[in-house]
Amino acid sequence: GENVEQHPSTLSVQEGDSAVIKCTYSDSASNYFPWYKQELGKRPQLIIDIRSNVGEKKDQRIAVTLNKTAKHFSLHITETQPEDSAVYFCAALFGGTSYGKLTFGQGTILTVHP
Amino acid sequence: DAGITQSPRYKITETGRQVTLMCHQTWSHSYMFWYRQDLGHGLRLIYYSAAADITDKGEVPDGYVVSRSKTENFPLTLESATRSQTSVYFCASSGQRQGGITNYGYTFGSGTRLTVV
Repeated sequence: GENVEQHPSTLSVQEGDSAVIKCTYSDSASNYFPWYKQELGKRPQLIIDIRSNVGEKKDQRIAVTLNKTAKHFSLHITETQPEDSAVYFCAALFGGTSYGKLTFGQGTILTVHP
Repeated sequence: DAGITQSPRYKITETGRQVTLMCHQTWSHSYMFWYRQDLGHGLRLIYYSAAADITDKGEVPDGYVVSRSKTENFPLTLESATRSQTSVYFCASSGQRQGGITNYGYTFGSGTRLTVV
């Protein structure tokens, strides 16, 4: 079935360090992989996404990498800042009649200590 | 984004009452979704819709009803509210087409915090 596993569930780093969150997915036909950031009390917001025909995508301090063979993708945040503290969700769009339905990972609570 | 709005933002209701949460989007997105978010459970899909008059159940549909008579609106009704339905509810939409490519990234509404007492 459609499944996305996200690790770690919590991640604590010092300001300036890098943070990496990993997700694995079950359906090899998946072709779209977004990442969302949710600050406390706010809505989830799309921060970066990648399609299956691309291996890596960068946007300033964040990047996403995709390994289709291994069926996993990762979020990389460099030079972390306290404002990066939030819950991060990965997601995958599974193939077939998905009606645009994303399956989300369980979330990672990232804490960046000043 | 102002293009997707949820109402009300906060709601307190009594057990057994019917409650309707509203969701409206101005982009004519094809896809719309309802999620609930509880501590320790992440985002769980309640119902989704591919277009007007096309809806389907998600992971946790029991006790909820949806309709989508118009593309822009996707109301969620709790037929007889229970305390277990106390949660934050998010509506989302997607499906904008640009240059022949469909954008599947969700835009979420601001959420409705529902408390059932």
